Amino acid sequence: DTAVSQTPKYLVTQMGNDKSIKCEQNLGHDTMYWYKQDSKKFLKIMFSYNNKELIINETVPNRFSPKSPDKAHLNLHINSLELGDSAVYFCASSQDEGASSGYTFGSGTRLTVV
Amino acid sequence: DAKTTQPPSMDCAEGRAANLPCNHSTISGNEYVYWYRQIHSQGPQYIIHGLKNNETNEMASLIITEDRKSSTLILPHATLRDTAVYYCIVRAGGGNKLTFGTGTQLKVEL
Repeated sequence: DTAVSQTPKYLVTQMGNDKSIKCEQNLGHDTMYWYKQDSKKFLKIMFSYNNKELIINETVPNRFSPKSPDKAHLNLHINSLELGDSAVYFCASSQDEGASSGYTFGSGTRLTVV
Repeated sequence: DAKTTQPPSMDCAEGRAANLPCNHSTISGNEYVYWYRQIHSQGPQYIIHGLKNNETNEMASLIITEDRKSSTLILPHATLRDTAVYYCIVRAGGGNKLTFGTGTQLKVEL
């Protein structure tokens, strides 16, 4: 009964490839997010979706395209992978009822581009 | 959202209270103080949040100064499993962006 699940957990791929990371939440939350944690451990928000609509796009290269087929899913597709895309990507969700909502994070997807 | 300042690292003996400070001198009236932690290789975990009053839950206590310019997260009886990076974040009410800083690496030792 994992609350926020991401697949795959590990992803190793070559430069130039296209890959996708999937995220699903079973908490009934309205908002989902993608965060990137780089090698220096700095966590940075990339995207936020509320009820399938994009509400935050933090100047992420357009090689990154999030897709939300329904409010329980937020997938991340990355085109033309580059070495600098290597990082851990975390999916999260929140209910967003004012400030009382905490975020629930997934366990992360470690992407390595070689 | 206001910025926060935390010490980069702290040590604590197992079984003792761990008191993690956070400065947020530019906090606005509608901004809440949130604490999250990230245990190695795991996703961040929500701990507690508050606006003005002190708060307590099963994980920790949050003490916010009267002027709200600083706060302290207290883990009353730290265990080895509490070793993690602890993030103090201020976030406006109704806002939906959680911005992480560099946090405090807490190391709990025997």
